[in-house]
Amino acid sequence: GENVEQHPSTLSVQEGDSAVIKCTYSDSASNYFPWYKQELGKRPQLIIDIRSNVGEKKDQRIAVTLNKTAKHFSLHITETQPEDSAVYFCAATRGSNYQLIWGAGTKLIIKP
Amino acid sequence: EAGVVQSPRYKIIEKKQPVAFWCNPISGHNTLYWYRQNLGQGPELLIRYENEEAVDDSQLPKDRFSAERLKGVDSTLKIQPAELGDSAVYLCASSSRSGGSADTQYFGPGTRLTVL
Repeated sequence: GENVEQHPSTLSVQEGDSAVIKCTYSDSASNYFPWYKQELGKRPQLIIDIRSNVGEKKDQRIAVTLNKTAKHFSLHITETQPEDSAVYFCAATRGSNYQLIWGAGTKLIIKP
Repeated sequence: EAGVVQSPRYKIIEKKQPVAFWCNPISGHNTLYWYRQNLGQGPELLIRYENEEAVDDSQLPKDRFSAERLKGVDSTLKIQPAELGDSAVYLCASSSRSGGSADTQYFGPGTRLTVL
């Protein structure tokens, strides 16, 4: 069935460096790819999303790239800050019923 | 604009007891989702409503779980009887579908359920 794989499960970077999290999906009909940030004990919050008709989207220090041919998309965070520490989830729509299939999450640790 | 509201925030019950969670979505959002999130994992969809109709409940364990959204606004998720494995955070989310494509889902703070 539809599957979203996310890597790495844990990522530790020095403050100020860049972080990249990658996801692959299996359903070629997927057309919406959001990224959520979840701090400990809090709700998931959308940080950026991309639709299948776009290859890249940026919002300040955050960017997402999408490669439809290879069925993968990535989250890029530049100039990381301590407040970026959280678990990040990628997701992809499942066919045409708008259900989101979620990745397993990446715990991002920003080292001071 | 008020966000998605959920109550209670925390619930501790004995196994075999019933429990209910309530969700009030963002005003005007016609789509409502109930998710379960186990520790260290991503959210798992339980049921999705379009207005008052449950359009996707394939992952809802129907022997013990039930949900309703009678007037197409608030929703209640019930577990009866609860089992130890039901301990998790239950998240409600809502979105406003338009243009035939998926829209941003906004999450509530969740209800952390502990079954003893």
